[in-house]
Amino acid sequence: DGGITQSPKYLFRKEGQNVTLSCEQNLNHDAMYWYRQDPGQGLRLIYYSQIVNDFQKGDIAEGYSVSREKKESFPLTVTSAQKNPTAFYLCASSILDRAGEQYFGPGTRLTVT
Amino acid sequence: AQSVTQLDSQVPVFEEAPVELRCNYSSSVSVYLFWYVQYPNQGLQLLLKYLSGSTLVKGINGFEAEFNKSQTSFHLRKPSVHISDTAEYFCAVSEGKTSGSRLTFGEGTQLTVNP
Repeated sequence: DGGITQSPKYLFRKEGQNVTLSCEQNLNHDAMYWYRQDPGQGLRLIYYSQIVNDFQKGDIAEGYSVSREKKESFPLTVTSAQKNPTAFYLCASSILDRAGEQYFGPGTRLTVT
Repeated sequence: AQSVTQLDSQVPVFEEAPVELRCNYSSSVSVYLFWYVQYPNQGLQLLLKYLSGSTLVKGINGFEAEFNKSQTSFHLRKPSVHISDTAEYFCAVSEGKTSGSRLTFGEGTQLTVNP
């Protein structure tokens, strides 16, 4: 079955550590996205990528970094510079000219203490 | 800049009752509109979309929505809800089709269906 996988489901880290969240898709989609979800705030766009080796900042990119070395993979690194990293992180993908029709992964819940 | 307002953060209803989840948007250009559903601790799933044409759009699980350009609204409706419809629902707007066009989400409406 085609879809998006995110791992791990739950992640715990100590403050000051960088952590990388995995996102893989086998839908052959060109575009991939990372969102952050906090209670009562909806989804906010962190980064997105339309093509391999290229990506753009979203609305809340500070403290995060991404790479897109392969079409299927779009990992997100939460750096120690992110002031409030505890959140639910969602990865999505879409066909390039159907950006509103996004397919989402199951999410990773990151807790930093 | 585009924005989305979901007018109710929580909507409790009884099983088999009708429900309407309200969504208003703001944009200076033509828009594309979407409703997504999120079950607890899961990702989002596309429920329905308005791109063009008929203003009444039907989606999965018996949901429908009506695009009203004059009122800048895109309310979601279902004539008879089930317990399994309990979830969070997000309205979203995009000003274009390509991935360079941002998909802006509302803050979500938690629908709780009680027996």
